[in-house]
Amino acid sequence: DAKTTQPTSMDCAEGRAANLPCNHSTISGNEYVYWYRQIHSQGPQYIIHGLKNNETNEMASLIITEDRKSSTLILPHATLRDTAVYYCIVRVLYAGGTSYGKLTFGQGTILTVHP
Amino acid sequence: DGGITQSPKYLFRKEGQNVTLSCEQNLNHDAMYWYRQDPGQGLRLIYYSQIVNDFQKGDIAEGYSVSREKKESFPLTVTSAQKNPTAFYLCASSIGTQRAGQPQHFGDGTRLSIL
Repeated sequence: DAKTTQPTSMDCAEGRAANLPCNHSTISGNEYVYWYRQIHSQGPQYIIHGLKNNETNEMASLIITEDRKSSTLILPHATLRDTAVYYCIVRVLYAGGTSYGKLTFGQGTILTVHP
Repeated sequence: DGGITQSPKYLFRKEGQNVTLSCEQNLNHDAMYWYRQDPGQGLRLIYYSQIVNDFQKGDIAEGYSVSREKKESFPLTVTSAQKNPTAFYLCASSIGTQRAGQPQHFGDGTRLSIL
């Protein structure tokens, strides 16, 4: 799976958009970009994923560059409850391979939303 | 509500004792996973199961065992052979491999400590 690079930490004011970048310059054509977040002492929460088109759901938007070497997760109106560690993960699905299903979490970005 | 339930939330183990962590899901997912998270680190895959009565070792399976007798249940046993069991254990599930890119959904974890 391709390695990802994220900033260690970011701040955001409550009510403003939070834009979290992720670099994945070695991504392959069949690898997806996933975003998860983890609030302290809880399990990771799935946010969104995409292959090459931009995606939007009720939680966030995912913008993937045309060359797919980087992406940005956008939380349109951040709240205090969005304070968490955000993980960008690139993963390919192997049909029956030994790496099947594994999610490789890096260090992530600590997002702090302040009043 | 559909989801993944892990129990107990906190567990204490005595030296030389086996303990079993429960994971139940009512999402009708075929695939289930066990991860371990140590402080300040990412998740590491212990075991995974693609279907009932089948499971595979992940990256750090030594000292652990699992069973998958029912689709909705995937218990993890931490044996006395696991010399450093203190960690946060996370169970996840996903639809499976038939639909590419399906995300994993996590429970809220079990925190295991050694007495």
